[in-house]
Amino acid sequence: AQSVTQPDARVTVSEGASLQLRCKYSYSGTPYLFWYVQYPRQGLQLLLKYYSGDPVVQGVNGFEAEFIKSNSSFHLRKASVHWSDSAVYFCAVSTPGNTGKLIFGLGTTLQVQP
Amino acid sequence: DPKIIQKPKYLVAVTGSEKILICEQYLGHNAMYWYRQSAKKPLEFMFSYSYQKLMDNQTASSRFQPQSSKKNHLDLQITALKPDDSATYFCASSQEGNTLYFGAGTRLSVL
Repeated sequence: AQSVTQPDARVTVSEGASLQLRCKYSYSGTPYLFWYVQYPRQGLQLLLKYYSGDPVVQGVNGFEAEFIKSNSSFHLRKASVHWSDSAVYFCAVSTPGNTGKLIFGLGTTLQVQP
Repeated sequence: DPKIIQKPKYLVAVTGSEKILICEQYLGHNAMYWYRQSAKKPLEFMFSYSYQKLMDNQTASSRFQPQSSKKNHLDLQITALKPDDSATYFCASSQEGNTLYFGAGTRLSVL
């Protein structure tokens, strides 16, 4: 069965600093990988997704993630964070042919300090 | 404007009662889903519908019944409510095979 681990429940960074949020998955094949963000009192919004091809995928608002199959990882990065990036970030995985069934991690709460 | 509307945003119920969670999507998608997020647990897939037909059900309890009266509606009826049912319930939709879009959720508290 697939699973997703986000080892950091909470990350605090200063505005302008770089960011990496970690995500590791468990799946024997090549999964579809996603990062979603949830701002307070809102639904989850897709940041980026990986299906195949270039392992570095670009998302909205300057976010990117790199799929490293050998490490079963899909870490999220941003070069310079803004206070408005404070939110909860979820990594998720699905499998080809079952794209509606996402397996989520517990999420990482990002707090950006001014 | 939100394209997936969930109503109500907050809901308090007593044990043993029945509630219906409403979801409407205005994205023109043909697939709709319910997910649940309980305290200290990840979002968990519950149901998927495609063209108003049940495709997948990962919820063991028959107390949870999705209802699709229109193509863009997928409500969730929960009967005989228990305190363990307390969670945030998210509705989502997609054009089948593509990205899921989520609503803001209904936070249910069962006393």
